[in-house]
Amino acid sequence: ETGVTQTPRHLVMGMTNKKSLKCEQHLGHNAMYWYKQSAKKPLELMFVYSLEERVENNSVPSRFSPECPNSSHLFLHLHTLQPEDSALYLCASSAETGNDRGYTFGSGTRLTVV
Amino acid sequence: KNQVEQSPQSLIILEGKNCTLQCNYTVSPFSNLRWYKQDTGRGPVSLTIMTFSENTKSNGRYTATLDADTKQSSLHITASQLSDSASYICVVSKDGYKLSFGAGTTVTVRA
Repeated sequence: ETGVTQTPRHLVMGMTNKKSLKCEQHLGHNAMYWYKQSAKKPLELMFVYSLEERVENNSVPSRFSPECPNSSHLFLHLHTLQPEDSALYLCASSAETGNDRGYTFGSGTRLTVV
Repeated sequence: KNQVEQSPQSLIILEGKNCTLQCNYTVSPFSNLRWYKQDTGRGPVSLTIMTFSENTKSNGRYTATLDADTKQSSLHITASQLSDSASYICVVSKDGYKLSFGAGTTVTVRA
């Protein structure tokens, strides 16, 4: 394990469902990130949190709602998703947003929207 | 157009052979360049990280090179093993946390 844990590893949900992805890090990092990885495409940065405050939202649709209750935990709440949202969702953390020291990824959640 | 281009998109090699992956980037200014290995269904794991002043960095059978003048990097895998089958991603850091990712090269090693 890398020190960044994501659950669940796999998720299948209908377009009317509501689900949440969870990310937890025990590296003492202050910054956490959500990425979307679609097949054959580069990773897309979705959200950035620094010390529990959102510092970036890369034009992500409102059907994705992040939550960062403390510096060790990050959630991605999902509702009324579309089939094109099916992808691998990766969480990452780093020492701080001012630099990329210690940038570490979790193993991801494979999401399938049916 | 993506600021980090990788080639080839995929390749197949026989176990024990060597291979080289390419990465061209246009990111500027440039802080560091990393190569990640991503096994199927897993998150990316860092292999090497180089600043603009470094020309080469090794990690076991993996050797990365960097030419900051031509904005090119390569990852050389020596004496490939079945466990090297994975996607290899080139990542360029401009500043802070803002990383630019390549689409990756998928390597398949066959016995």
